[in-house]
Amino acid sequence: DTAVSQTPKYLVTQMGNDKSIKCEQNLGHDTMYWYKQDSKKFLKIMFSYNNKELIINETVPNRFSPKSPDKAHLNLHINSLELGDSAVYFCASTVSTGVYEKLFFGSGTQLSVL
Amino acid sequence: GESVGLHLPTLSVQEGDNSIINCAYSNSASDYFIWYKQESGKGPQFIIDIRSNMDKRQGQRVTVLLNKTVKHLSLQIAATQPGDSAVYFCAENGSSNTGKLIFGQGTTLQVKP
Repeated sequence: DTAVSQTPKYLVTQMGNDKSIKCEQNLGHDTMYWYKQDSKKFLKIMFSYNNKELIINETVPNRFSPKSPDKAHLNLHINSLELGDSAVYFCASTVSTGVYEKLFFGSGTQLSVL
Repeated sequence: GESVGLHLPTLSVQEGDNSIINCAYSNSASDYFIWYKQESGKGPQFIIDIRSNMDKRQGQRVTVLLNKTVKHLSLQIAATQPGDSAVYFCAENGSSNTGKLIFGQGTTLQVKP
């Protein structure tokens, strides 16, 4: 009954590979996000979708492509992985854009690019 | 650019003492602020929030203080417990209607038994 679930929890891969991270929320929220957390714990927004529509794309390389098949899912596909992509990626959801009191995070996907 | 920062990367306190975690923000247009707690291996969790029309808000064992004059936010935790050990982030909503939450760099709170 996890509110925001992401898979996989850990992802270890070689440079140049393509990988995907999946996220699902069962809260009935309209807005979903991807955040990246670097080794210094700094959290930065990458993308935001509202009801399957992209509303924020925070100057992320186009190797990163989010996809929202429905409002409960927001997946992140990364092409041609680079060493600098190593980080923890968090999915989050909220009732609607700008409603942060109810911003729920998943438990993160730790991506290690070797 | 916009930034939210914390004054100390690590804070170590004795169990039972009060903790104060500080945050400085730079965007004077921000009108909503949040504190999050992130335990090891987990995502950030909402603790408490405050709007810019308030200067203090209390929750259970936690108090957030906002000083808009100097753009400073603090989180006070009363009677700190081992379970409070985590990384704490302040966040602001930046310019209105952007839909973005801007996080500070985090302060690690270590509670010594």
